[in-house]
Amino acid sequence: GENVEQHPSTLSVQEGDSAVIKCTYSDSASNYFPWYKQELGKRPQLIIDIRSNVGEKKDQRIAVTLNKTAKHFSLHITETQPEDSAVYFCAASWEYGNKLVFGAGTILRVKS
Amino acid sequence: EAQVTQNPRYLITVTGKKLTVTCSQNMNHEYMSWYRQDPGLGLRQIYYSMNVEVTDKGDVPEGYKVSRKEKRNFPLILESPSPNQTSLYFCASGSGTLHFGNGTRLTVT
Repeated sequence: GENVEQHPSTLSVQEGDSAVIKCTYSDSASNYFPWYKQELGKRPQLIIDIRSNVGEKKDQRIAVTLNKTAKHFSLHITETQPEDSAVYFCAASWEYGNKLVFGAGTILRVKS
Repeated sequence: EAQVTQNPRYLITVTGKKLTVTCSQNMNHEYMSWYRQDPGLGLRQIYYSMNVEVTDKGDVPEGYKVSRKEKRNFPLILESPSPNQTSLYFCASGSGTLHFGNGTRLTVT
C-alpha cells in the first residue's frame, strides 16, 4: 500500500522567511496530493492540492510542487506570518481523495 | 451550513465498556472515513465507506467497527475499548476534498 514520509517533523522560521516541507510517496499510481493545515485544537483543513498532471500550483503565499519521477512533492510558504504556525500534513491518494494516506505531520512555528 | 458533526467531543471511559462515536454529514457525500491522530504518527485511517452498506478497512482497523446504514451517518463503534485506543478521532467526508469533523478526544483508562 501507499506510504508517505514527511520532513521535517518540526520547523522554526523567522516571520517573513520562507518555509518548505517535503513529502515522498511510494505508490506510483497515486495521483492526488493535498496539503492540510491543523491549527491547535482544531480540525485539519485543506489549504492546497495538486494532481499528477500538474507540476506546480500556487495560491497567494503558498505553492506546491510535484516531481512524479522522484515521487516527491513539497509545500512552499513565502513571507511567513505568525498565523501560519500550525501542523501541516501532506497526503497521497490514487482515488482522488478517497483512501488518503497522510504523512506524520510538520509542526511549523513562525517566530515574530 | 455544510459540515461534519461528531459527538461527543470528549469521552473518558473504562476498559471494556462499549462506546459509539457518532458522525453525520449534510453534504450528501458518498465517501466517509474515520481517522485517529496520535503524536508523531499523523492521521491513520481506521475504516472508510464508499457508499451506503459499503465499508472497508483502513490501515488500523483492529478493535473498531463501523456501519453505514444511511448516507449521512457513519458511526464508529468500540466494542471493548482498551487503553491503546486512547486517541483523537476524526470523521471525514468528501467528494475529492475531505471535510473533517471537530474531533473526539477519547481516553480509555
